[in-house]
Amino acid sequence: QQQVKQSPQSLIVQKGGISIINCAYENTAFDYFPWYQQFPGKGPALLIAIRPDVSEKKEGRFTISFNKSAKQFSLHIMDSQPGDSATYFCAASRPGSGGSNYKLTFGKGTLLTVNP
Amino acid sequence: ETGVTQSPTHLIKTRGQQVTLRCSSQSGHNTVSWYQQALGQGPQFIFQYYREEENGRGNFPPRFSGLQFPNYSSELNVNALELDDSALYLCASSLAYEQYFGPGTRLTVT
Repeated sequence: QQQVKQSPQSLIVQKGGISIINCAYENTAFDYFPWYQQFPGKGPALLIAIRPDVSEKKEGRFTISFNKSAKQFSLHIMDSQPGDSATYFCAASRPGSGGSNYKLTFGKGTLLTVNP
Repeated sequence: ETGVTQSPTHLIKTRGQQVTLRCSSQSGHNTVSWYQQALGQGPQFIFQYYREEENGRGNFPPRFSGLQFPNYSSELNVNALELDDSALYLCASSLAYEQYFGPGTRLTVT
């Protein structure tokens, strides 16, 4: 059972365009939703994250939109650049002990290609 | 850079052998999580260590084991290696919700 479903599997946008990646989750105990960016041969890098008490969070060109009732969240990349070409993963986690979160459950990833 | 380091970078082992992977967490972080990432897939949770105790385990067999040391660095040990263990092994350190990943160790089992 896949707890976090991510779409699309791949995405091609033109430079300057908007990239949108969507995720849906099943476990209502999840309370932390990060997005990671991964380049080939590198570890995932934390981009932006949201908690369910807000519906939107923006950091620079990256925005997370969160819909708690629909159990969906999405990443929007404004003014997409060729340097944004990478694999993007959504993830979700629930509270753990000692103030640290528990395991991250990842989507399967979206390969983003931004054409110049 | 996250400040999380892993060693070695690459490793080639033969089926049936044992391997130890190492992770140094970011300064001040007391939690280390290990993930396995197969080619073209998202990372899969193996286990997490919080203050030297195992704090949860994913769907991996007992031949995957770990340790966390007093300085919060960690080891992942895999016994009786199988071909399907070939993957990128990632560790992530955290203090609160944010998990920061290292560059990973690429393990190839032949």
